[in-house]
Amino acid sequence: TAGITQAPTSQILAAGRSMTLRCTQDMRHNAMYWYRQDLGLGLRLIHYSNTAGTTGKGEVPDGYSVSRANTDDFPLTLASAVPSQTSVYFCASSGTSYNEQFFGPGTRLTVL
Amino acid sequence: GQNIDQPTEMTATEGAIVQINCTYQTSGFNGLFWYQQHAGEAPTFLSYNVLDGLEEKGRFSSFLSRSKGYSYLLLKELQMKDSASYLCAVRDGDYKLSFGAGTTVTVRA
Repeated sequence: TAGITQAPTSQILAAGRSMTLRCTQDMRHNAMYWYRQDLGLGLRLIHYSNTAGTTGKGEVPDGYSVSRANTDDFPLTLASAVPSQTSVYFCASSGTSYNEQFFGPGTRLTVL
Repeated sequence: GQNIDQPTEMTATEGAIVQINCTYQTSGFNGLFWYQQHAGEAPTFLSYNVLDGLEEKGRFSSFLSRSKGYSYLLLKELQMKDSASYLCAVRDGDYKLSFGAGTTVTVRA
């Protein structure tokens, strides 16, 4: 069982370029989330989606956008990357917002 | 806003017990989670508390006191593979998780 997959595993990106981080889950979970993890700050919620067709802003949404066209996919887009977006990005999903979250393997993004 | 505090680092000996404390001040409360994260890997779910008291799951136990805004994760019979970061997370009134910065536990032989 794949669970949650993320692509790419890592990426180096020039500042000002756009980038889409992909996240796919095969557990038919309704809720999906994007977090960034920075040393000393822990995981911070960027955007979330409680069900297909709906999205919401988390704690640090600026500079990021998401879409949820179907249950399985939840891509995260950086329209114009800046060095402060250098981080490890984790996608997660849960059956509902009541359940524990399952995390993907992460994408390590470096913006130069 | 959310405020979740846990120690940055702890060190313990193989076979010993370690207790990781977590205090929180959040807007609304709908449960507290503990996750384990090995270096370079994704967090994995360990435990969930929504009512006061102790939840035991094998070598790991988690305690919650809602009135004190306090939880702890107890790791017993420590093994080398328990060396990892342990993340405390609180689910708020909107059912979103807020995470502490994590506690890195190092188990020494």
